[in-house]
Amino acid sequence: DTEVTQTPKHLVMGMTNKKSLKCEQHMGHRAMYWYKQKAKKPPELMFVYSYEKLSINESVPSRFSPECPNSSLLNLHLHALQPEDSALYLCASSQVKGVGGYTFGSGTRLTVV
Amino acid sequence: GEDVEQSLFLSVREGDSSVINCTYTDSSSTYLYWYKQEPGAGLQLLTYIFSNMDMKQDQRLTVLLNKKDKHLSLRIADTQTGDSAIYFCAEEGNNNDMRFGAGTRLTVKP
Repeated sequence: DTEVTQTPKHLVMGMTNKKSLKCEQHMGHRAMYWYKQKAKKPPELMFVYSYEKLSINESVPSRFSPECPNSSLLNLHLHALQPEDSALYLCASSQVKGVGGYTFGSGTRLTVV
Repeated sequence: GEDVEQSLFLSVREGDSSVINCTYTDSSSTYLYWYKQEPGAGLQLLTYIFSNMDMKQDQRLTVLLNKKDKHLSLRIADTQTGDSAIYFCAEEGNNNDMRFGAGTRLTVKP
């Protein structure tokens, strides 16, 4: 298995809703990432998990809450989002060190109404 | 803003070669990467180069690295319409964080 699987592919939520994005990989990668990508922009790093521990939080608002329950799963819990949070949310995984780059999922397209 | 810089647009005719350029900032980056993103999809790792190499060739793709000038390029030979996409140059920071350029939108005309 050489893929990163993200669910759901599309999500529409209201500003008072609570929802979660899910990411799964079975490549034995011990680093996992959440990126946010707005239209026509490069991905922006949100969070990095290394060995299931949060190692980087790029000053992301607390309405985004990451969770890494085990080495294969990464969640992003969403609560009280704003319309400007609408974007493509990409999950990626990699080896902690060394060659290989990231393997990205196909993303969750989130629309906040 | 991005520390990795790329020109935003490139248009070529089918069958021509495409050259996408990138300037990066961190001379300590061990690897430099090229990713491809098609509409509505995630990023696909195309190729990478180790920082002590000058060139890497992989089928139609050639990566050139000028470490002195911190300049990276991706050449696509015999460009096809299926190559139309956004191409991101990226460098990996010390904390496992990948830093992306703004992306070059390649349009291939028949």
